[in-house]
Amino acid sequence: GNSVTQMEGPVTLSEEAFLTINCTYTATGYPSLFWYVQYPGEGLQLLLKATKADDKGSNKGFEATYRKETTSFHLEKGSVQVSDSAVYFCALSEVTGNQFYFGTGTSLTVIP
Amino acid sequence: NAGVTQTPKFQVLKTGQSMTLQCAQDMNHEYMSWYRQDPGMGLRLIHYSVGAGITDQGEVPNGYNVSRSTTEDFPLRLLSAAPSQTSVYFCASSYGGGSTDTQYFGPGTRLTVL
Repeated sequence: GNSVTQMEGPVTLSEEAFLTINCTYTATGYPSLFWYVQYPGEGLQLLLKATKADDKGSNKGFEATYRKETTSFHLEKGSVQVSDSAVYFCALSEVTGNQFYFGTGTSLTVIP
Repeated sequence: NAGVTQTPKFQVLKTGQSMTLQCAQDMNHEYMSWYRQDPGMGLRLIHYSVGAGITDQGEVPNGYNVSRSTTEDFPLRLLSAAPSQTSVYFCASSYGGGSTDTQYFGPGTRLTVL
């Protein structure tokens, strides 16, 4: 079946630190991969996505590369800001696109 | 565009009561879905719809009913609420439901069942 596993949180970093949030997946086909972000009190919004192997998604300084050989889609940012404090969800969509599978979420707090 | 809207924002029910969570989108999206978010569980798909008149079950459909009579609206019904349905509920929509499509989420409904 399809599933997503992401690193446990919470994660606390100082401003300008390097961020990595690990995400691995299991899929029966060739899924698309996503990172969504949820700010306090809000719904999820798309951060970035990659639709095939070796694609790199990027947005707002965040990056993630679709690694088929390691079934991973790790999220990275070189220098985090206080405004990046949120919960980050890794997700996959199966080939038909009718069902999405989300990880458990990783809470990030960035302190000044 | 209002995007995806959900009502109510908060609701408290007693066990056995029924209610409908409303979801509407104004982006002319064909695909709509309902998720529940529980601590340590991430988001789990309850039901989804690929167009008006078409619905299907997701990962955790028991205790919930849906219908899709228009493209814009996708209400979620709890026929007899149980404490296990205490959760935050999110509605989402996307253009065509394809695997590469971005999902747009509503702000959520926080439901407590006593």
